[in-house]
Amino acid sequence: SQELEQSPQSLIVQEGKNLTINCTSSKTLYGLYWYKQKYGEGLIFLMMLQKGGEEKSHEKITAKLDEKKQQSSLHITASQPSHAGIYLCGADILHGATNKLIFGTGTLLAVQP
Amino acid sequence: DTEVTQTPKHLVMGMTNKKSLKCEQHMGHRAMYWYKQKAKKPPELMFVYSYEKLSINESVPSRFSPECPNSSLLNLHLHALQPEDSALYLCASSQDNTGTRDTDTQYFGPGTRLTVL
Repeated sequence: SQELEQSPQSLIVQEGKNLTINCTSSKTLYGLYWYKQKYGEGLIFLMMLQKGGEEKSHEKITAKLDEKKQQSSLHITASQPSHAGIYLCGADILHGATNKLIFGTGTLLAVQP
Repeated sequence: DTEVTQTPKHLVMGMTNKKSLKCEQHMGHRAMYWYKQKAKKPPELMFVYSYEKLSINESVPSRFSPECPNSSLLNLHLHALQPEDSALYLCASSQDNTGTRDTDTQYFGPGTRLTVL
């Protein structure tokens, strides 16, 4: 079965600092999603990557998928308190004729003002 | 608009109660999902409906009964739950579920916090 491992497990940064979260898969990734979750709330879709070497940016968040499609990174530039939350990577896996989404272990980000 | 709504926001129920969770989307999506999330854990898939038909049941106990009355609505009927079923229940929807990444992107609702006493 495919597994997604995220690192670090938790991260505390000073406001204005840059940071990177990694997501490593045990198998080739065919669709990699990044979500953000505030504690006890729903998941907010950030970005989806599917091609090796692909990179996408939205505001101060950049996500990349490596050429081998087994690792993705999420980079936040000049972090702000609004970036705090739990970041989850997710991957599509085939389940019969249907896709299912499995999630990584999560990274808890705190941003100190 | 990528809004998925869920009601109620919070639910407290006894082990003998029957209750239902509701999920609604008006994005024209044809795939809908139920997830269960325990504290400090990632969401775990429970059920997938594709074009109003149940396509995945992740060996969920029968005390959870999903229902998809139409393409916009998804219910989760609860009966004789156990305290360990207390969790955040998340609903999601996607345009479809055909292996095309862009249309498989799932959008989540805010969740229902369920407590079973």
